[in-house]
Amino acid sequence: QAQLQESGPGLVKPSETLSLTCTVSGGSISDSGYYWGWIRQPPGKGLEWIASLYYSGASYYNPSLKSRVTISVDTSKNQLSLKVTSMSAADTAMYFCARGSYSSAFMIPFDSWGHGTLVTVSS
Amino acid sequence: EIVMTQSPVTLSVSPGERATLSCRASQSVAGNLAWYQQKPGQAPRLLIYATSTRATGVPARFRGSGSGTEFTLTISSLQSEDFAVYYCQQYHNWRTFGQGTKVEIK
Repeated sequence: QAQLQESGPGLVKPSETLSLTCTVSGGSISDSGYYWGWIRQPPGKGLEWIASLYYSGASYYNPSLKSRVTISVDTSKNQLSLKVTSMSAADTAMYFCARGSYSSAFMIPFDSWGHGTLVTVSS
Repeated sequence: EIVMTQSPVTLSVSPGERATLSCRASQSVAGNLAWYQQKPGQAPRLLIYATSTRATGVPARFRGSGSGTEFTLTISSLQSEDFAVYYCQQYHNWRTFGQGTKVEIK
């Protein structure tokens, strides 16, 4: 079972760009049949899917965030990354990375999650 | 965007009783519906996917059902560790979550 660990700056100023990484252990981020994603949760609120990246290389974004978000992988470091531009207070949240499985016959949603990293947007 | 609506917002249940949680989609998601459990300070945990398939290690007291736009999570006999917030998620078109149902001790 892969283990995921998010890391980030903790505090970001308004209008800045957020960069987060998710380090994967116990498995390769390049293993076939998996996809990776970022999900966030504002304090005391619900979950919001941000983006997903598949083994095939295909990436998908939440339409409401697409213009500001980029998801990518660094296979040499076994890391998943997320960049969010033009950060505002509305982006304050716990950010989770997660992994799911898929094939031509099935899709399993996010069944492995990191513990999350809290990002606060404030000047 | 497919909007997921969960009800009730809060469910008060006594240990040992049955809990029934509902999730409605704004359009059909076929069977592409999952349920997650989240406890305070923890990441969500996948319970059910494909409407009714229990994830690895999930006890049999958790049962998912439904189709199209109406889905239900039933917890047959609530244990102390089941008091948490539950989210439904569709993965038919992108991914969207419901707003959550908090199951609290009555």
